[in-house]
Amino acid sequence: DIQMTQSPSTLSASVGDRVTITCRASQSVSNWLAWFQQTPGKAPKFLIYKASNLESGVPSRFSGSGFGTEFTLTISGLQPDDFGTYYCQQFNDFPWTFGQGTKVEIK
Amino acid sequence: EVQLVESGGGLVQPGGSLRLSCVASGFTYRSYTMNWVRQAPGRGLEWIAYFSGGPGAMLHADSVKGRFTVSRDNAGNSLHLQMNSLRVEDTAVYYCARSYCSGATCYNTFDIWGQGTMVTVSS
Repeated sequence: DIQMTQSPSTLSASVGDRVTITCRASQSVSNWLAWFQQTPGKAPKFLIYKASNLESGVPSRFSGSGFGTEFTLTISGLQPDDFGTYYCQQFNDFPWTFGQGTKVEIK
Repeated sequence: EVQLVESGGGLVQPGGSLRLSCVASGFTYRSYTMNWVRQAPGRGLEWIAYFSGGPGAMLHADSVKGRFTVSRDNAGNSLHLQMNSLRVEDTAVYYCARSYCSGATCYNTFDIWGQGTMVTVSS
């Protein structure tokens, strides 16, 4: 199975900050990577697919980049609704696997 | 409105069985691949089962293979997960999730999720 490793596991940030989360794959997943946001008690929300494509309705302050084994999710100007846990997921190879999550907390 | 609503969770003893259901609305259900993804308390996300639209292929994660079976009823816009031989480590919130499609191409990532149903396996 492809292992997905996110860093950091937790980060503290303030409203307005620029935040970057990294996701590394144990082998190449090309650009078959997605990002999700989850807030407590809620289902994950689909943010980005194919590494850099923003899902419809997702604010433009979110962006994704990367290819192969290293990917980043950037939030430019953190907003109160952006706090929560972010997960990457590879869909290059069965079984489809998620990172362990990055919790974004209020500083 | 595109929506998925799960039901069927509850408390069951180790070795017991449970059947989860997910009812879809707001989209052409038969055209989409559907999945089950679970999340143990305080843990991350784990994909566990897939049922394609069209040809009806099924896939299961190794962690549930031989114990869980995914099925679908296109006439009823529903997806099911029959869970047998349940273990304590199967305790989780179980989400129904739709595979993302762009035009005629569908991908094994998940754009629409239900609210989840909690399964607790405990004696």
